[in-house]
Amino acid sequence: AQSVAQPEDQVNVAEGNPLTVKCTYSVSGNPYLFWYVQYPNRGLQFLLKYITGDNLVKGSYGFEAEFNKSQTSFHLKKPSALVSDSALYFCAVRDRDNNNDMRFGAGTRLTVKP
Amino acid sequence: NAGVTQTPKFQVLKTGQSMTLQCAQDMNHNSMYWYRQDPGMGLRLIYYSASEGTTDKGEVPNGYNVSRLNKREFSLRLESAAPSQTSVYFCASSEGPGQGHEKLFFGSGTQLSVL
Repeated sequence: AQSVAQPEDQVNVAEGNPLTVKCTYSVSGNPYLFWYVQYPNRGLQFLLKYITGDNLVKGSYGFEAEFNKSQTSFHLKKPSALVSDSALYFCAVRDRDNNNDMRFGAGTRLTVKP
Repeated sequence: NAGVTQTPKFQVLKTGQSMTLQCAQDMNHNSMYWYRQDPGMGLRLIYYSASEGTTDKGEVPNGYNVSRLNKREFSLRLESAAPSQTSVYFCASSEGPGQGHEKLFFGSGTQLSVL
């Protein structure tokens, strides 16, 4: 079955600095990859997804993610962090051949300090 | 816009009690899902319904049952609650079944404590 690893429980950055939230995946076939964000006491919200084609995917709120097939990674990035970006971020993967089962990582808590 | 609505938002049960978590979506989505969220473990799929009239087990189905009542509603039942079922439960929906890259829309969650 597919799986996702988010190696960092917590990421701290200063406002205005670039941020990266890491994600690696394992899937038998080709993946669909997703990033979701969760604000306190809320459900998850979709940020962006990789389907095929360009390895750099742009999403909501200025976030982008880079798909790297050789490293099986899909890191989330933003050039300039905002305090309001502070939240819990989840990476998720679906196997194209078993697309009813989306697996989520454990989440990374991003804190952006003023 | 309502989106995905879950009830109740909070619930405390005693071990052995039963309850049903309700979920409804107003986006005319075909697929619906139940996840549980536990600290350090992310979201784990309990059951899903790819389309009206079908349900399938996910990663952690033991101790749960589901009913796809109609296209809008997908309920999750705990027949005999156990402390291990203390968690935050999320319902989600998507346009699927399709190519598999459809995004999920989540409800705001139900925080369940089993004493």
